[in-house]
Amino acid sequence: GAGVSQSPSNKVTEKGKDVELRCDPISGHTALYWYRQSLGQGLEFLIYFQGNSAPDKSGLPSDRFSAERTGGSVSTLTIQRTQQEDSAVYLCASSPGTSGYEQYFGPGTRLTVT
Amino acid sequence: AQSVAQPEDQVNVAEGNPLTVKCTYSVSGNPYLFWYVQYPNRGLQFLLKYITGDNLVKGSYGFEAEFNKSQTSFHLKKPSALVSDSALYFCAVRVPNNAGNMLTFGGGTRLMVKP
Repeated sequence: GAGVSQSPSNKVTEKGKDVELRCDPISGHTALYWYRQSLGQGLEFLIYFQGNSAPDKSGLPSDRFSAERTGGSVSTLTIQRTQQEDSAVYLCASSPGTSGYEQYFGPGTRLTVT
Repeated sequence: AQSVAQPEDQVNVAEGNPLTVKCTYSVSGNPYLFWYVQYPNRGLQFLLKYITGDNLVKGSYGFEAEFNKSQTSFHLKKPSALVSDSALYFCAVRVPNNAGNMLTFGGGTRLMVKP
């Protein structure tokens, strides 16, 4: 079946602009995660959605970052007033639940802030 | 707080030889442990996991890992390496019922298998 998809695959933006990154999880998966992969920081957790519960935003690095998940499916990660340190690969993952389930990752969006 | 350490940035092995990629963890509570592999310009692919039960876990592509509670380790192994195994490997941990349910990843180990 279809895996996790993300768009765009690459995004180049100017410093100070806002960007939106999209994630389509595997159908039926209730849990959705955003991670960031960068050279200096490795893989970092950003935010987590589980069903209709309030998201866990504990990993968001600043208030310029936000995310929403509409209808329990598609998620959008928004970065406002982008900075050069935001340049990274943003990975989305989904899983059928939480306890013991592995997460399935999308191919990522490579964000470059110039 | 939970953490994962992968002490080797890179592991080099000749094709046909056994390989080991090391992982140690620090958590309060019983961990769920995972290995993922990342090929160039691709997302992470799940290899195997330890939740409970047998300490030796078998996964995709002939990989296995052994959970060692006393040494807090979860090393990834394969009896005979292939050139196509060359990739970036990540160990990850989750504590069940923790507030976030997120994975905490190690820094990654690049595996280079030479013909």
